[in-house]
Amino acid sequence: GIQVEQSPPDLILQEGANSTLRCNFSDSVNNLQWFHQNPWGQLINLFYIPSGTKQNGRLSATTVATERYSLLYISSSQTTDSGVYFCAVEGSGYALNFGKGTSLLVTP
Amino acid sequence: DAMVIQNPRYQVTQFGKPVTLSCSQTLNHNVMYWYQQKSSQAPKLLFHYYDKDFNNEADTPDNFQSRRPNTSFCFLDIRSPGLGDAAMYLCATSRGQGGEKLFFGSGTQLSVL
Repeated sequence: GIQVEQSPPDLILQEGANSTLRCNFSDSVNNLQWFHQNPWGQLINLFYIPSGTKQNGRLSATTVATERYSLLYISSSQTTDSGVYFCAVEGSGYALNFGKGTSLLVTP
Repeated sequence: DAMVIQNPRYQVTQFGKPVTLSCSQTLNHNVMYWYQQKSSQAPKLLFHYYDKDFNNEADTPDNFQSRRPNTSFCFLDIRSPGLGDAAMYLCATSRGQGGEKLFFGSGTQLSVL
């Protein structure tokens, strides 16, 4: 199946800092989504972004499908941004394959 | 608000004792999924329903079964839970199959004693 690699695996930021999370995938995709899993386990869909760029408040995402990567930008980070960020992709089948995630801790 | 609801939030069962987890949705989505997420790991798809059509992932153990009696509800049955089945179980929905946005419930954390 399609391989998904996320980097970095762990990230610690001070409140107010900016960060970039990366997702590389091994094949062309029909579907790419970014999720935030909060400390209580809830997975929140941040972006549905198989290609192009989207912005939602302090978050934005860019997917370059031809080069098989996606980036999630977090600006002016807040403690509530802490949690695990997952990239998930759908290849030729219908299943979303998740990367191992980036664990983010934002400190006051 | 339309949403995906999982009950209970925490479930404790005994080794070998059958357990059922439930999921309901008010989004009227055609597809419902069950994912298993073990500690510090990525969610892993167990199976999904497209309407009434059941689609099992190749590596999902036979111990795991699912039922979807109607559009709104989907159940995960674990026939004989082992210690290795302790995990967070996540239900998700999408409008269609392929190229669709997924919406997740808050999950059920299963403990096996």
